[in-house]
Amino acid sequence: DSGVTQTPKHLITATGQRVTLRCSPRSGDLSVYWYQQSLDQGLQFLIQYYNGEERAKGNILERFSAQQFPDLHSELNLSSLELGDSALYFCASSVATGNQYFGPGTRLTVT
Amino acid sequence: EDKVVQSPLSLVVHEGDTVTLNCSYEVTNFRSLLWYKQEKKAPTFLFMLTSSGIEKKSGRLSSILDKKELFSILNITATQTGDSAIYLCAVEAGNTDKLIFGTGTRLQVFP
Repeated sequence: DSGVTQTPKHLITATGQRVTLRCSPRSGDLSVYWYQQSLDQGLQFLIQYYNGEERAKGNILERFSAQQFPDLHSELNLSSLELGDSALYFCASSVATGNQYFGPGTRLTVT
Repeated sequence: EDKVVQSPLSLVVHEGDTVTLNCSYEVTNFRSLLWYKQEKKAPTFLFMLTSSGIEKKSGRLSSILDKKELFSILNITATQTGDSAIYLCAVEAGNTDKLIFGTGTRLQVFP
């Protein structure tokens, strides 16, 4: 158990819908990262927040957005969902740089 | 464009065999290289390497980095069925804390 929690574990929704994935980092970690893992693309970095501020952006679609709240938990919002958005979404946290601790992931299925 | 390449893509061995997994990278402003093990869900941290030539060891697993030739290897000796997993290599580079992942090596160990 890494200490990073994610909810929900599984999410099944239809195309065109919007969902919110939630992540609570390890106690004391200020950085939160979001990754998408699909079968054909491996783990892809989406976005990082550090102490409430956006710090780095990766291959995140405009339909996706994220935020980090004052209590340091983070939410990833995915809208206008498409079949290709089906994937495992991981949240990770770290104190600063280096090792990131990964949560158990949210499996999103878009039908 | 930063990239991390792992080989082989897949490896099937018998218990007791020794395996070597490879990771090469081309990134700007390398900072560190990390190895993760992914079984069913979340990647779990194995090693973080920042200096060339210094072997990191944990039980039957060991890893070393060559910053001149831009690669790292992960060795697993006396493999066990519990070592079956996807092994991910990731590089931290540039001015951000994001990790750039390779596509992983799938290791299957049979009794």
